[in-house]
Amino acid sequence: QVQLVESGGGVVQPGRSLRLSCAASGFTFSDYGMHWVRQAPGKGLEWMVILWYDGINKYYADSVKGRFTISRDNSKNTVYLEMNSLRVEDTAVYYCARGGSVTNPRAGFDKWGQGTMVTVSS
Amino acid sequence: QTVVTQEPSFSVSPGGTVTLTCGLSSGSVSANNYPSWYQQTPGQTPRTLIYNTNTRSSGVPDRFSGSILGNKAALTVTGAQADDESDYYCLLYLGSGIWVFGGGTKLTVL
Repeated sequence: QVQLVESGGGVVQPGRSLRLSCAASGFTFSDYGMHWVRQAPGKGLEWMVILWYDGINKYYADSVKGRFTISRDNSKNTVYLEMNSLRVEDTAVYYCARGGSVTNPRAGFDKWGQGTMVTVSS
Repeated sequence: QTVVTQEPSFSVSPGGTVTLTCGLSSGSVSANNYPSWYQQTPGQTPRTLIYNTNTRSSGVPDRFSGSILGNKAALTVTGAQADDESDYYCLLYLGSGIWVFGGGTKLTVL
């Protein structure tokens, strides 16, 4: 069955960097776009970024553009989120989610990982 | 900046039917926004209910249905049950590779 497993969260000081990973299994990874979504404590869901199935086209929300970078390694069925210049307001649970496929790339998410907590604090 | 709008809260009686909506601060929602809906109970991972306007995710009961109603996307819950009490989020594709969540609707079943 489809599984997405995030890792890499933790406590980090403001201004530092962190890299999250999301390991996928149970489907043809290279056929799907992958998203990252976050949820600050007590707040709603916030879409952050997508990397299309082609591994080339990537789009970011304004809140993370220029600081966060998404990438994927199809040989490892893994998508990454490199987070730089972290701020206190980046504190959240970070989820990866499977997006649309080659045939329907703009479909919403159908599978989610369990999330990984990132705390930015001095 | 376009905002995705949802009712902050809604209440339904057990066994009743409720329709939650998802709109745009400017313009109408259409199938080209690929509306999707997610359910989340506190402390839990979001669960996908509907994507591509009206496609139910695997394992989702047919009590949940998605549609376009007028100028908004809609999620209808028929025969509401106690464990439907959750937060519901819609997600819209705004074009140019950008998706935006609504602020969420807290559904109470009482």
